[in-house]
Amino acid sequence: AQSVTQLGSHVSVSEGALVLLRCNYSSSVPPYLFWYVQYPNQGLQLLLKYTSAATLVKGINGFEAEFKKSETSFHLTKPSAHMSDAAEYFCAVTRAGTASKLTFGTGTRLQVTL
Amino acid sequence: GAVVSQHPSWVICKSGTSVKIECRSLDFQATTMFWYRQFPKQSLMLMATSNEGSKATYEQGVEKDKFLINHASLTLSTLTVTSAHPEDSSFYICSAREATGGELFFGEGSRLTVL
Repeated sequence: AQSVTQLGSHVSVSEGALVLLRCNYSSSVPPYLFWYVQYPNQGLQLLLKYTSAATLVKGINGFEAEFKKSETSFHLTKPSAHMSDAAEYFCAVTRAGTASKLTFGTGTRLQVTL
Repeated sequence: GAVVSQHPSWVICKSGTSVKIECRSLDFQATTMFWYRQFPKQSLMLMATSNEGSKATYEQGVEKDKFLINHASLTLSTLTVTSAHPEDSSFYICSAREATGGELFFGEGSRLTVL
């Protein structure tokens, strides 16, 4: 079975500050890992994904994440937060190389303050 | 990127009625679609996997007679909540996987409120 754990259900940063959202995964097989963003009353938008190529993955809106097998982590970062980054962020995992279903973490709500 | 559209985006119905939610892939063919349910401030819970031309595969604990899923074509899957009750009120999100690749695209979600 696969799972992801997102540490911190709520993260607050000041505008311009570093954003760090944590995700640790558990998988007995090579994983594919994803970060999605959800704005209120909307569906999910893919930010970035790791599919066993480069371990440092760059996504949209200036976000990036690094796959660290030794730490079983896939933390999401952005050097400088913007007010428009305020949203819910979900980490997800699936089995590598298949069309398997995604397993989502519980989500982290990012608040950006002035 | 590819577009997945859900309709309606929100619906209010009376208890005991049935509600149908559509999920369409607008510019690609989707052999597999997934239906999720999301409670307020919670994560997405996979309800079922819908494969074109075959019966849906439901997750454990999801009532297949309550949540009817039909995937009649490569661009359309429907979720029907039968005899809806207030506890069925939720945000329902679909996702579709391209037939040729592995990319997964999500719809905008449909908010159901049962009075």
